[in-house]
Amino acid sequence: GENVEQHPSTLSVQEGDSAVIKCTYSDSASNYFPWYKQELGKGPQLIIDIRSNVGEKKDQRIAVTLNKTAKHFSLHITETQPEDSAVYFCAASIQAGTALIFGKGTTLSVSS
Amino acid sequence: GAVVSQHPSRVICKSGTSVKIECRSLDFQATTMFWYRQFPKQSLMLMATSNEGSKATYEQGVEKDKFLINHASLTLSTLTVASAHPEDSSFYICSARGTAYEQYFGPGTRLTVT
Repeated sequence: GENVEQHPSTLSVQEGDSAVIKCTYSDSASNYFPWYKQELGKGPQLIIDIRSNVGEKKDQRIAVTLNKTAKHFSLHITETQPEDSAVYFCAASIQAGTALIFGKGTTLSVSS
Repeated sequence: GAVVSQHPSRVICKSGTSVKIECRSLDFQATTMFWYRQFPKQSLMLMATSNEGSKATYEQGVEKDKFLINHASLTLSTLTVASAHPEDSSFYICSARGTAYEQYFGPGTRLTVT
C-alpha cells in the first residue's frame, strides 16, 4: 500500500522567512496530494491541494509543487507569521476516492 | 462552505460503557466519510471508511465489533466505541469527502476512559 514520508519533523523559522516541508510517496498510482494544518486540540484544516496533472499551485503565501517522476511534493510558505505555527500534514490518495494516507507531520514554529 | 461538525467535542466515561460520536456534514452531502484516530503528537491513523447505506470498511487491526460505524444518511455518520477501556482513550476525528477527492475534517472528539 501507499506510504508517505514527511520531513522535517520540526521546523523553526523567524517571522518573515520561508518554510519548506517535503513529502515523498511510494505508490505511483496516487494522484491527489493535500496539505493540512492542525492546531492544538483541533481537527486538520485543508490549506491547499494538488492533483497529478498539475506541477505547481499557489494560493497567496502558500504554494505546493509536485514532481511525479521523483514521487515527491513540497509545501512552501513565504513571509511566515506567528499564526502559521502549527502541525502540518501532507497526504496522498489514489483516484476513485480512497482514503488519505498521511505523513507523520511537521511542527512549524514561527518566532517573532 | 464544506463544514463538518462532531459531537461531542469531549467525553469522559467509565470503563465498560459505550460512547457514541456523531459526525455531520453541515452544508454538503457526503456519500463517504472516514474515521481517524490520533494519539498525542502523532499522525492520523485511518480506522474505517463509511459509505452511506452500506457497511463500513475497516482497516487492518481495527475491531469492527468494538468500533461500530453507521452511515445512515448523506450528512451523518456515527462511531460507537463499545465497552470502552482506558486504551481506547484518544482523539477521534471524522472527515467527509467532497465532490471531488478533497476531505474536510471535523474538529475532533477527545475521549477519555477512566
